[in-house]
Amino acid sequence: AQSVSQHNHHVILSEAASLELGCNYSYGGTVNLFWYVQYPGQHLQLLLKYFSGDPLVKGIKGFEAEFIKSKFSFNLRKPSVQWSDTAEYFCAVNDPARAGTASKLTFGTGTRLQVTL
Amino acid sequence: KAGVTQTPRYLIKTRGQQVTLSCSPISGHRSVSWYQQTPGQGLQFLFEYFSETQRNKGNFPGRFSGRQFSNSRSEMNVSTLELGDSALYLCASSFGTYNSPLHFGNGTRLTVT
Repeated sequence: AQSVSQHNHHVILSEAASLELGCNYSYGGTVNLFWYVQYPGQHLQLLLKYFSGDPLVKGIKGFEAEFIKSKFSFNLRKPSVQWSDTAEYFCAVNDPARAGTASKLTFGTGTRLQVTL
Repeated sequence: KAGVTQTPRYLIKTRGQQVTLSCSPISGHRSVSWYQQTPGQGLQFLFEYFSETQRNKGNFPGRFSGRQFSNSRSEMNVSTLELGDSALYLCASSFGTYNSPLHFGNGTRLTVT
């Protein structure tokens, strides 16, 4: 079975600091990879996705992630965080061949990011 | 464009009762998926419906069931509620293809007492 590991459970950064959140997955086949964000009191929103092609993926709000197949990783980065980035971030993986869809996701446990002024 | 709508937002039920949750997908989306979110287990996939048929299923007991109607709206039912069923239940919709990402609703917070 697939599994997703997010090693950082709680990260506290000052505004303007750089961010990197780790995500590793266990499945060795073709995968779809996602980062979702959940702002306080809001629903899960798609931050960025990787299906194929360029392993460096750019998402909304200045976020990007790099798929490194050899390391089974899909780390999320942002050069300069803002207070409004305070949220919980979830990495997710999908096996499109087995599921036939991108709907069956295995999520990591999430990383709570707190950005201080 | 309206997002995914889930009703009700909050529910309080007693152990042994059953509950039905409702989800209206984004217009044009034919796939509806359900997830359970708890502090201990995180986000876990329950099932996916596409064109009124269950296409994928997670590892939940048979007390958890769902259905999808011809207008793509979906319902999820939990019978014989247990305390451990207390959770945020999230519905997500998509076009249902292998490269169509999920769009989530705000969820229904179920509390079982």
